[in-house]
Amino acid sequence: QVQVPESGPGLVEPSGTLSVTCGVSGDSLTRTNWWSWVRQSPGKGLEWLGQIDQDGGTNYSPPLRGRVTMSVDKSKNQLSLKLTSVTAADTAVYFCARHSGFSHDLWGQGTMVTVSS
Amino acid sequence: QSALTQPASVSGSPGQSITISCSGTSSDVGGYNHVTWFQHHPGKAPTRIIYDVNKWPSGVSNRFSGSKSGNTASLTISGLQTEDEADYYCSSYAGRSTYVFGTGTKVTVL
Repeated sequence: QVQVPESGPGLVEPSGTLSVTCGVSGDSLTRTNWWSWVRQSPGKGLEWLGQIDQDGGTNYSPPLRGRVTMSVDKSKNQLSLKLTSVTAADTAVYFCARHSGFSHDLWGQGTMVTVSS
Repeated sequence: QSALTQPASVSGSPGQSITISCSGTSSDVGGYNHVTWFQHHPGKAPTRIIYDVNKWPSGVSNRFSGSKSGNTASLTISGLQTEDEADYYCSSYAGRSTYVFGTGTKVTVL
């Protein structure tokens, strides 16, 4: 069974950099063309952050361009998300999600990241 | 890119049918037949229940059905069951390799 557990720091200071990883288990990351990152702020809906393909090609959500970087490590079968200059508005549960066509068919449980001093 | 608009909450009694709307624009919902619906129990991984407007992923109950008219997509849950109590989100492809999600709907089974 394929699983995509996310992991993160839990707490990040304002103006710092948020780093979250997503480890793909039970399958090869390279069998899927695209992966997305999505977040859910407390009490709010889901927000698409961007997507990355197995070769590192990316498309980022326009509001986050300049602050977000997504990468893939094939040797570790792992995806990474970095978000710089964070504020309280970046407090959220961060998910990775696998693409299937124009849909997201497999998600992790998410990892909560709080931005606070 | 604005979030797709969903009602904050919908409720129904066991056995009833409920419908959740997902309103977008001609640049997302209305422009592509790539609307997905997810069921999300907080603290767990979201589960895809409908894709490409009205298709069922393997293993998903046909009590869930999707449709679209213009810029609005809809999810209908028939024969409502207690385990259907969850948050539901729509999403749509929005062109240029981007996606947009809905504001989410909390379904309560009375």
